[in-house]
Amino acid sequence: AQSVAQPEDQVNVAEGNPLTVKCTYSVSGNPYLFWYVQYPNRGLQFLLKYITGDNLVKGSYGFEAEFNKSQTSFHLKKPSALVSDSALYFCAVRDTGRRALTFGSGTRLQVQP
Amino acid sequence: DAGVIQSPRHEVTEMGQEVTLRCKPISGHNSLFWYRQTMMRGLELLIYFNNNVPIDDSGMPEDRFSAKMPNASFSTLKIQPSEPRDSAVYFCASSLGAGALIEAFFGQGTRLTVV
Repeated sequence: AQSVAQPEDQVNVAEGNPLTVKCTYSVSGNPYLFWYVQYPNRGLQFLLKYITGDNLVKGSYGFEAEFNKSQTSFHLKKPSALVSDSALYFCAVRDTGRRALTFGSGTRLQVQP
Repeated sequence: DAGVIQSPRHEVTEMGQEVTLRCKPISGHNSLFWYRQTMMRGLELLIYFNNNVPIDDSGMPEDRFSAKMPNASFSTLKIQPSEPRDSAVYFCASSLGAGALIEAFFGQGTRLTVV
């Protein structure tokens, strides 16, 4: 079975500071990892994905994520947060045997001006 | 491309009534997913289709829920009879191909309120 854990319900950061949103995963095969963002009253938007290769993945809006196989983690990062980054962030995993994504519980990011 | 289109955006219905949610996937995508989002349970997969065929419906809560995909450009999720605990946001998503590395694209969701 595949699962994802997002240990923080909310992350608060000041504008201009770096941000990290944490995610750990569990899969039986090779992990395919994704980050999505959800703005209020909107659907989920794809940010980035890890398939294989480089452990640092770059995505939309200046976000990146670091894959760490030994720690089974896939943390989302951004060097300098913007107020407009405030939203709900979901980590998701899919293994080779299952076509549907399994989502974490979500982390609300609040960037203060 | 218009993206995944869901209708209606909002639905308020009385307990016991039938509710039908609709989804038009992105043209050319051959995998379609229905998810439900609630505060208590987060995002849950209800069912997904590949090439119009249901592959995994293990997430469908009970027999009151049914989903169909009569063709590549249309899917419905039906709840009959509806109950207050079905109140949630229902998302449809589609993807190109069935590979594990393919990201899914989501519609804006249908907010269902059963009173």
